[in-house]
Amino acid sequence: DTGVSQNPRHKITKRGQNVTFRCDPISEHNRLYWYRQTLGQGPEFLTYFQNEAQLEKSRLLSDRFSAERPKGSFSTLEIQRTEQGDSAMYLCASSRSTGQAHEQFFGPGTRLTVL
Amino acid sequence: EDKVVQSPLSLVVHEGDTVTLNCSYEVTNFRSLLWYKQEKKAPTFLFMLTSSGIEKKSGRLSSILDKKELSSILNITATQTGDSAIYLCASPNAGGTSYGKLTFGQGTILTVHP
Repeated sequence: DTGVSQNPRHKITKRGQNVTFRCDPISEHNRLYWYRQTLGQGPEFLTYFQNEAQLEKSRLLSDRFSAERPKGSFSTLEIQRTEQGDSAMYLCASSRSTGQAHEQFFGPGTRLTVL
Repeated sequence: EDKVVQSPLSLVVHEGDTVTLNCSYEVTNFRSLLWYKQEKKAPTFLFMLTSSGIEKKSGRLSSILDKKELSSILNITATQTGDSAIYLCASPNAGGTSYGKLTFGQGTILTVHP
């Protein structure tokens, strides 16, 4: 499968723990986006990379959140000291820099539950 | 800040019914409006609309953009249970360092009963 992959698919953690999610984009895509989707809402933009450079972070991304894309390939999203409000689906998407905006392919998401 | 609003938030119909989903937008430097279908996982792309009044069609689904009213509709005719999903509309940021960043609406949850 050459699509966007995300791991793990599900994560259950206790409040206060740290969690890390991974996204592997389509190999020739140099743009990578993270979104968060809570129940009953559309996805909300969190952050965006072009190659290894993090070009924008949403106000939604508090200091407890950090994202990296060290070699311009896979990306990780870490949440420190998780809170119950962090429970959501975390979606990753990738696209070519020369592609149109709709050519943004989404991964299956990581569903986080914070107890 | 860009804003996309969808209505209704949820809709329950029976197979064979026709439904119309609405999306309105307030987007700086508007370039396009996108529709996605989301079943229990990632959103899958349906349509991209850039020009007003030109209908895009795929099987029983069709969509049209009205730039004067800053809105779009998605029609589904002869609905089937497999159409049950969340339908999302989104508009991408048109330029600068945020190019491609999508602003989504809340989604419309469509439930089709047999």
